[in-house]
Amino acid sequence: QKEVEQNSGPLSVPEGAIASLNCTYSDRGSQSFFWYRQYSGKSPELIMFIYSNGDKEDGRFTAQLNKASQYVSLLIRDSQPSDSATYLCAVILAGGTSYGKLTFGQGTILTVHP
Amino acid sequence: KAGVTQTPRYLIKTRGQQVTLSCSPISGHRSVSWYQQTPGQGLQFLFEYFSETQRNKGNFPGRFSGRQFSNSRSEMNVSTLELGDSALYLCASSLEWVSRATNEKLFFGSGTQLSVL
Repeated sequence: QKEVEQNSGPLSVPEGAIASLNCTYSDRGSQSFFWYRQYSGKSPELIMFIYSNGDKEDGRFTAQLNKASQYVSLLIRDSQPSDSATYLCAVILAGGTSYGKLTFGQGTILTVHP
Repeated sequence: KAGVTQTPRYLIKTRGQQVTLSCSPISGHRSVSWYQQTPGQGLQFLFEYFSETQRNKGNFPGRFSGRQFSNSRSEMNVSTLELGDSALYLCASSLEWVSRATNEKLFFGSGTQLSVL
């Protein structure tokens, strides 16, 4: 089992819709969770950080964390073509040989079509 | 405030050579982490340096090494290059040591695209 798993997609949504991106992690003790956006040919850009169970909202983005289910998601409301990118879920692992490492999922490719 | 700066932006090397990549963190950031990104493996953690000491290391062979200077700037070295080392190498900086402050946010540089022929 991979430490951080994402559906690689591609996920295609129409402009104005809600895009839902999901991520699961294996280390139950993990506490810090991040979403990065990476445009083609560019470096990852931090868009959301969540630490506590529940929802965290920032503009059109909402991160949801459920530690009991080891699941973190990112919702993008009113999706725009400019949101088309790869979205990377990242977790600071708390256990074993991976302790303290910011570990990334493979990323989900999102395409927002007009 | 200037972001994370990586040089060079592109590098072409041949098998067996060695290469050194440079990273200057955001001003005030004391930790530097290095990642390798490939289409097949995604982002893989190489190592993290804080206060000139390696604090964490990923599962890469000893050909991959790094160091950090007193001004927090960091270099990464790959010796005896192999074709499989072709990748985008990303440097990220954070205020503090990632595993000591679990809510640390990492900010990435533009990366160095290394091609090994």
